[in-house]
Amino acid sequence: GESVGLHLPTLSVQEGDNSIINCAYSNSASDYFIWYKQESGKGPQFIIDIRSNMDKRQGQRVTVLLNKTVKHLSLQIAATQPGDSAVYFCAENSFYNQGGKLIFGQGTELSVKP
Amino acid sequence: DTGVSQNPRHKITKRGQNVTFRCDPISEHNRLYWYRQTLGQGPEFLTYFQNEAQLEKSRLLSDRFSAERPKGSFSTLEIQRTEQGDSAMYLCASSLGKFFGPGTRLTVL
Repeated sequence: GESVGLHLPTLSVQEGDNSIINCAYSNSASDYFIWYKQESGKGPQFIIDIRSNMDKRQGQRVTVLLNKTVKHLSLQIAATQPGDSAVYFCAENSFYNQGGKLIFGQGTELSVKP
Repeated sequence: DTGVSQNPRHKITKRGQNVTFRCDPISEHNRLYWYRQTLGQGPEFLTYFQNEAQLEKSRLLSDRFSAERPKGSFSTLEIQRTEQGDSAMYLCASSLGKFFGPGTRLTVL
């Protein structure tokens, strides 16, 4: 079946370094992607999204890159801070899925060392 | 705070009991989604509503699960005859999914 998955389950970085979290998806029809941050005991928090007609989108300290050729998505966090420690999920949606439901990957836990 | 609220935040129940959760989405959003999340996993889609109409249900949603959105505003998710495998975080999302509520954590003893 189709799935969205992450390459690395855990990532540990030093405060101030840049972080890169990766995600692979298998549904070539997916045309909308979202990155979420989830802290313990809380619901997923929207970080940034990107549509398939773009290959890069920037937000505040975050950049999402989309490579449709290899069906790969990444989230870059600049100058990582201790407050960035959380689990990060990518999620995908397909235009052909009229319901708009999201399919989530397993998640990557980001740990920031002070 | 995303503007999506869920109650209760935590629920502990004994196996076989019925439980009901409530979600209040952002008022102007027509679509409302329910997801379930177990420890270490991403959320899994359960069902969604367009206004008061329930348009899709996942096969994860067994006959013991029922969801309603009677007036197209708040929604309830009921689980009958709870099982230990129902223990999870139940999440509600408004609109496409940009806005998630804080979730209801269910523990079935």
